[in-house]
Amino acid sequence: AQRVTQPEKLLSVFKGAPVELKCNYSYSGSPELFWYVQYSRQRLQLLLRHISRESIKGFTADLNKGETSFHLKKPFAQEEDSAMYYCALKLTISNFGNEKLTFGTGTRLTIIP
Amino acid sequence: DTAVSQTPKYLVTQMGNDKSIKCEQNLGHDTMYWYKQDSKKFLKIMFSYNNKELIINETVPNRFSPKSPDKAHLNLHINSLELGDSAVYFCASSRNWSRERRYGYTFGSGTRLTVV
Repeated sequence: AQRVTQPEKLLSVFKGAPVELKCNYSYSGSPELFWYVQYSRQRLQLLLRHISRESIKGFTADLNKGETSFHLKKPFAQEEDSAMYYCALKLTISNFGNEKLTFGTGTRLTIIP
Repeated sequence: DTAVSQTPKYLVTQMGNDKSIKCEQNLGHDTMYWYKQDSKKFLKIMFSYNNKELIINETVPNRFSPKSPDKAHLNLHINSLELGDSAVYFCASSRNWSRERRYGYTFGSGTRLTVV
């Protein structure tokens, strides 16, 4: 079954310390993975796509197919990083237009000043 | 110039009422979705429409009925509201074109529904 697992519901990190938000997936096909962020009472925003291998707001995420993981990392946490983070897996149901994003349960990251 | 807009932002209503949430996107996207975020912040897809056609209908009570008058709009109508329907409902949209399918979704700001 296709599934996204974020094992940590809550994560507190001191400002300036490294951050790692864990994400593991289960999918028989070729995965398309994303990280979304939701700041307090705001909409979900796309943070990263694995396909683009980009760094946004200092965050990076590498797809590890061997470990079926897509962990989100940042070397030095900042207070404005406090938010809810969701890992998401795009599932293709059929060829054209039939797909959906399946989200993990989310990790609430709190940066301690 | 909001890309995906939902109305209303907040909705407080009594049990048993019928209510609608509207969603519009001006991105020219082909597919629209409704997601529900419960009190534990868990996000789950409810429906998706592609060019006005229902594509995904997850296990959602019949009291929930999506309607897509055109590909820029996807409304959610809920009959006989129950306490357990209290949640934040997010609308989202995405493109279908193969080279753009690797992009994520664009989400609306959410509608916080409280059933009392």
